[in-house]
Amino acid sequence: AQTVTQSQPEMSVQEAETVTLSCTYDTSESNYYLFWYKQPPSRQMILVIRQEAYKQQNATENRFSVNFQKAAKSFSLKISDSQLGDTAMYFCAFHSILGAGGTSYGKLTFGQGTILTVHP
Amino acid sequence: DGGITQSPKYLFRKEGQNVTLSCEQNLNHDAMYWYRQDPGQGLRLIYYSQIVNDFQKGDIAEGYSVSREKKESFPLTVTSAQKNPTAFYLCASTLDSSDGYTFGSGTRLTVV
Repeated sequence: AQTVTQSQPEMSVQEAETVTLSCTYDTSESNYYLFWYKQPPSRQMILVIRQEAYKQQNATENRFSVNFQKAAKSFSLKISDSQLGDTAMYFCAFHSILGAGGTSYGKLTFGQGTILTVHP
Repeated sequence: DGGITQSPKYLFRKEGQNVTLSCEQNLNHDAMYWYRQDPGQGLRLIYYSQIVNDFQKGDIAEGYSVSREKKESFPLTVTSAQKNPTAFYLCASTLDSSDGYTFGSGTRLTVV
């Protein structure tokens, strides 16, 4: 079974600075997908960024980027120019395929989450 | 607008009672999922369904039941057999899970 570990229960950063959230995972699969989700105080889960394991290039979405190290099974999230609205819990998630139906037939396994607080 | 609707937002249950949480989506998604969120444990999978009239147990299915009679609906029943039901419950759906999920806004269940 896949496991996802987020070793930082809480992090804090000053507005406009950069912060990196860590995530490691364990799998024997060679092709998979990784995600970062954001859960603000409203508790609505929001997809932040997605990475395909077979792609060497790290995914980027505006101020959010990842550092994907496949051999080390590491998938960290970097938030640049932090904003007050980035305050949230962040979850790392691993997509595993459940059957023979290709990538559409799968489930997400989540880490324990990291609470990020951005201070003014 | 398309999305997932979970109701109610807050739910109180007496010990020994069954309670059903609603999840409806109008995204035409095939797959639907129920997760439970507890402090410090992230999201854990309860049940999932890839197609109508078919569903599978997730990692913590004991004390829960589901049905999938319509593509749009995937209700979760928390039975009296669930020993610690107080938690935040999230429903999600997707057309292709490798693209990630769309989540509902959640239901907070409290046993009183």
